[in-house]
Amino acid sequence: QSVLTQPPSVSAAPGQKVTISCSGSSSNIGNNYVSWYQQLPGTAPKLLIYDNDKRPSGIPDRFSGSKSGTSATLGITGLQTGDEADYYCGTWDSSLSAGVFGGGTKLTVL
Amino acid sequence: EVQLLESGGGLAQPGGSLRLSCAASGFTFSNNAMYWVRQAPGKGLEWVSSIGSDGNTFYTDSVKGRFTISRDNSKSTLFLQMSSLRPDDTAVYYCAKDAGYSAIDYWGQGTLVTVSS
Repeated sequence: QSVLTQPPSVSAAPGQKVTISCSGSSSNIGNNYVSWYQQLPGTAPKLLIYDNDKRPSGIPDRFSGSKSGTSATLGITGLQTGDEADYYCGTWDSSLSAGVFGGGTKLTVL
Repeated sequence: EVQLLESGGGLAQPGGSLRLSCAASGFTFSNNAMYWVRQAPGKGLEWVSSIGSDGNTFYTDSVKGRFTISRDNSKSTLFLQMSSLRPDDTAVYYCAKDAGYSAIDYWGQGTLVTVSS
């Protein structure tokens, strides 16, 4: 059971928008930066968002991040079949003195 | 170009030991915190351990007292000494580089550790 809670799956049609939520507590999301990762099948994860809402170079602006209180959200617009992947949120937990990830959300582009 | 190359994975018996290595290149290794993250077959990501540029170490509860993270800055290499291995330690272990504030900007390709008799 993960410290951060994500929906197991989301789905949407090509071209549409989807959001993935990540819920935590004051010891993790509430007081630390959140990052988001995309993991395509059989590959290592890839950083999509860091510091709650910043995109690394090369990540299209179709991907966005936000944080409010003890929850964070990843948004993806203009969905493409190539976006089908598992998505994870991550942050530091100050009570555990350890990093934590959400359980992951499988995105299906119908 | 940043590269992280893990090695040392394989089959270990329950109660046994393995030492993972991660050879880093393309950045100033000594200036960056580093991580080990694992992924059990068909499961999600699990943060395992980190070591700061100052040498401070952190572990997830399930590996405390069994795993030891270390680094050799002179060789730009990260290690994970794993002992008292259990079947639930079976996973792909990723070496990863800190991007700041616990984000990870580069990941290795992973090395598979299988704990089984």
